[in-house]
Amino acid sequence: EVQLVESGGGLVQPGGSLRLSCEASGFTFSSYWMDWVRQAPGKGLEWVANINQDGSEKYYVDSVKGRFTISRDNGKNSLYLQMNSLTAEDSAVYYCTRQLDFWGQGTLVTVSS
Amino acid sequence: DIQLTQSPSSLSASVGDRVTITCRASQGISNSLHWIQQKPGKAPKSLMYGASILQSGVPSKFSGSGSGTDFTLTISSLQPEDFATYYCLQYKSYPRTFGQGTKLEIK
Repeated sequence: EVQLVESGGGLVQPGGSLRLSCEASGFTFSSYWMDWVRQAPGKGLEWVANINQDGSEKYYVDSVKGRFTISRDNGKNSLYLQMNSLTAEDSAVYYCTRQLDFWGQGTLVTVSS
Repeated sequence: DIQLTQSPSSLSASVGDRVTITCRASQGISNSLHWIQQKPGKAPKSLMYGASILQSGVPSKFSGSGSGTDFTLTISSLQPEDFATYYCLQYKSYPRTFGQGTKLEIK
């Protein structure tokens, strides 16, 4: 059974940092692109970033470029999102997805003082 | 960026009805489109990719069509569990973009 379990969300002050993790199981993690998608409270879905199978290609939405870094560890079947210089506009549920086909349950990030 | 415009933004229908949601892209995306279902308080779920290819386990009551700039999602014989918000998502180019969503409510 495919499973994606996100963790690392929480309350952080503006300007702070947070690292999200996503642990994958039930499929060959190293064979898939992986994406992060977020959803602000009461809003629609926004694609954030993705990474290819070996981590050599990464793409970001403009609003997070230079602040967020996506990475992966195929040996640990894990995906990460390092988020720096956080603002209130980054408050959202962050979903880990396998190539946009399968989605985790999400982890909530709240940026507030 | 490619903009996706869904219509309608909200839709009221009855159990047993057949409904159609449309998604229009601001430029051609071939068939690089997902349809995503999200129930309240739940994670999104991809129903289909390639505009018309059902994900494993998704019932055939869901169907998709279109290519280029115009796409449709049709749901036949609505059941209570189908009432949700539906999004289209393009993966032809970066950044990936979503439609604004269509909220399907029970009449």
